[in-house]
Amino acid sequence: NAGVTQTPKFRILKIGQSMTLQCTQDMNHNYMYWYRQDPGMGLKLIYYSVGAGITDKGEVPNGYNVSRSTTEDFPLRLELAAPSQTSVYFCASSYSAAYNEQFFGPGTRLTVL
Amino acid sequence: AQRVTQPEKLLSVFKGAPVELKCNYSYSGSPELFWYVQYSRQRLQLLLRHISRESIKGFTADLNKGETSFHLKKPFAQEEDSAMYYCVLGTGSYIPTFGRGTSLIVHP
Repeated sequence: NAGVTQTPKFRILKIGQSMTLQCTQDMNHNYMYWYRQDPGMGLKLIYYSVGAGITDKGEVPNGYNVSRSTTEDFPLRLELAAPSQTSVYFCASSYSAAYNEQFFGPGTRLTVL
Repeated sequence: AQRVTQPEKLLSVFKGAPVELKCNYSYSGSPELFWYVQYSRQRLQLLLRHISRESIKGFTADLNKGETSFHLKKPFAQEEDSAMYYCVLGTGSYIPTFGRGTSLIVHP
């Protein structure tokens, strides 16, 4: 099992550009999450999904969009990138709800200049 | 509302010293508590969960429901323990609650 994979590992964007961060898991997990981690800060939840076709906002959803067309994939879309979106983005999945272990991807380091 | 408090942003110790990373939670129901570790520039990974009651890499954590605490302890810190540690609360909701994290630095 590859677990949770994310692409790209690094990306530099110019202000106003858009991009999609990819996240795939091969554990047949229903629950998937996107977090951002800013320097010296903890994790903040951006969006989450409880199954294919079902997504909901987390703590900091502004400037982002998600979709969940399959169980495996949970891409995060950044529209009109801003310097405030410079961060490390982690995708995670879990078998069921918050009582279970989360499995994290390796992260995407994004810089917006 | 659920809340996890990790009072120390940074904890600095010398190799061989005991370590205790504090975690307090707020939740009226029956909690599930976890400790995750993130080594430098790596992904978060599960270190401990309270129901397993096991020792991982010399770390232990006991759930104290009376004090609503789940402190992480290790009797003798090693340099390779230097990392970011997150205390996480699981409840019946879809979303786990993360503490802000404690950065542990173990000096040689």
